[in-house]
Amino acid sequence: QVQLQESGPGLVQPSETLSLTCTVSGGSISSYYWSWIRQPPGRGLEWIGYIYSSGTTNSNVSFKSRVTISIDTSKSQFSLNLSSVTAADTAVYYCARHQTPRVRDAFDIWGQGTMVTVSS
Amino acid sequence: QSALTQPASVSGSPGQPITISCTGTSSDIGGYNYVSWYQQHPGKVPKLLIYDVGNRPSGVSNRFSGSKSANTASLTISGLQAEDEADYYCSSYTTRGTLFGGGTKLTVL
Repeated sequence: QVQLQESGPGLVQPSETLSLTCTVSGGSISSYYWSWIRQPPGRGLEWIGYIYSSGTTNSNVSFKSRVTISIDTSKSQFSLNLSSVTAADTAVYYCARHQTPRVRDAFDIWGQGTMVTVSS
Repeated sequence: QSALTQPASVSGSPGQPITISCTGTSSDIGGYNYVSWYQQHPGKVPKLLIYDVGNRPSGVSNRFSGSKSANTASLTISGLQAEDEADYYCSSYTTRGTLFGGGTKLTVL
């Protein structure tokens, strides 16, 4: 059974870069799309971006050029970098798998989420 | 890219049906049959309930059903149960990525 686990710092300084990694276990990272999704405290879900196992990426225009998503298939990991963070980037960050090898698919498997607070 | 529009809250009594709407545009819900619904209990991870407008993943109760008309998608829960009290989110594929609704809090009276 495929499982996802986010890891990374829980506290990031304003203007710094938020860096998270999602480790895929129990299944292959290949031939799937993988997304990052966040949820500010008490608020709704926001899609950040996705990466395909080949390295193709797409991200939410709301983040402009602050988002970088990368993948290391040898380690079964994909990562998120979000630069120039502010308090508005404080949220629970989830990694998730697209249900089948189609970019338009729903997210069927989610990580447990990791809380990231932006504060000095 | 504005979020899809959902009612902030809905409520119903046990055994009753309820419907949650999700309104978008012709660029998202109206343009594709790729609407999904998620259930999220407090402090928990979102769970996929419906995909491709009206399909249920294995293990999801058949009390949950989805539909779409023009730019509006709907999630219907038949026979409300106390355990259905949660937040519900719709989402839609767009050429710019995935768009989520703002979420609906369901209260079981």
